[in-house]
Amino acid sequence: DTEVTQTPKHLVMGMTNKKSLKCEQHMGHRAMYWYKQKAKKPPELMFVYSYEKLSINESVPSRFSPECPNSSLLNLHLHALQPEDSALYLCASSQGAGTDYGYTFGSGTRLTVV
Amino acid sequence: KNQVEQSPQSLIILEGKNCTLQCNYTVSPFSNLRWYKQDTGRGPVSLTIMTFSENTKSNGRYTATLDADTKQSSLHITASQLSDSASYICVVRASNSGYALNFGKGTSLLVTP
Repeated sequence: DTEVTQTPKHLVMGMTNKKSLKCEQHMGHRAMYWYKQKAKKPPELMFVYSYEKLSINESVPSRFSPECPNSSLLNLHLHALQPEDSALYLCASSQGAGTDYGYTFGSGTRLTVV
Repeated sequence: KNQVEQSPQSLIILEGKNCTLQCNYTVSPFSNLRWYKQDTGRGPVSLTIMTFSENTKSNGRYTATLDADTKQSSLHITASQLSDSASYICVVRASNSGYALNFGKGTSLLVTP
């Protein structure tokens, strides 16, 4: 298995809703990432998990809450989002421990906040 | 400041024609350079990855070149197909940057019949 799987593919949520994005990989990668990508812009790094511990938080608002329950799974919990948070959310993984070997992106979740 | 500049910003070509996309970077110290293809609303898919010692790498109809001295890379697409229509992103990693990647803004390619 050489894929990063993200679910759901599309999500529409209200500003008072709580929802979660899920990311899964079975490549044995120990680094996992969340990116946010607005239309016609490059991806922006949000969070990095290394060996299931949060190692980088790029000053992301607290309405985004990441979680890494195990080495294969990464979640992004969403609460009280704003319309400007509408974007494509990408998960990625790599071998980890300071190397980007095998860096692989998922297909993304298209999030719309109404 | 580590920067990645891509040109052209957008490109329209006829099906079957060749094209070349450019990437200039100031990232230092250099670790590797990737070209990704990203379809609209989908995640980036890796086409090639090159390290300092590699000058050329091919993946089917895609050929990437790297000149580490001038800090330039190109992606050449041969015999373009309609399915090549996408954004092509150049991504450069510095060897001292931990997990950080430096993304270009991409070249939007449209292949028309």
